[in-house]
Amino acid sequence: EVQLVESGGGLVQPGGSLRLSCAASGFTFSRYWMHWVRQDPGKGLVWVSLINSDGSSTNYADSVKGRFTISRDNAKNTLYLQMNSLRAEDTAVYYCASSYGSGKHFDYWGQGTLVTVSS
Amino acid sequence: QSALTQPASVSGSPGQSITISCTGTSSDVGGYDYVSWYQQHPGKAPKLMIYVVSNRPSGVSNRFSGSKSGNTASLTISGLQAEDEADYYCSSYASSSTFVFGTGTKVTVL
Repeated sequence: EVQLVESGGGLVQPGGSLRLSCAASGFTFSRYWMHWVRQDPGKGLVWVSLINSDGSSTNYADSVKGRFTISRDNAKNTLYLQMNSLRAEDTAVYYCASSYGSGKHFDYWGQGTLVTVSS
Repeated sequence: QSALTQPASVSGSPGQSITISCTGTSSDVGGYDYVSWYQQHPGKAPKLMIYVVSNRPSGVSNRFSGSKSGNTASLTISGLQAEDEADYYCSSYASSSTFVFGTGTKVTVL
């Protein structure tokens, strides 16, 4: 069974940092591109970042470019999102999602982890 | 990148068919056949329902179908059932290796 389990969310002050993790199981993690997608409370989905299967290529939404860094450890089947210089508008549930190969859709999703940026 | 435009809500009676539209631009929906659709029940993670415009993943009911014309994609749910009541989001691959989601549509089964 495919499982994606996010962790690392919580309350952080504006300007602070947080690192999210996404543990994958039930599939060959190293063959999948991975994404982070966020959802403001009660609002829609927003794509945040992607990383290719071997970690050599990444991309970001303009709203997080220069502040967030996506990475992965294929030996540990884990995806990461380092979030720095956090702002109130980064408050959201963060989901990790998989894409087989370089597929342009999101096959599986985790249950999400809530990040709240507030003083 | 602006969100794709979806109607805020669509409703129908059990057994009826409904269609949700998703309008973008030539830089996303119109430029690529990489439109996908997701179902999200309250408090749950999104679930892939349609990919590459009209393909259904294994396990998704054939009551769900997708299409695209120009800059607008559509999701049709036929034989509407109570369990179909949820939020639905479209997504498209866009230029410069980015992705964009729709504004979301709340489907209500009357």
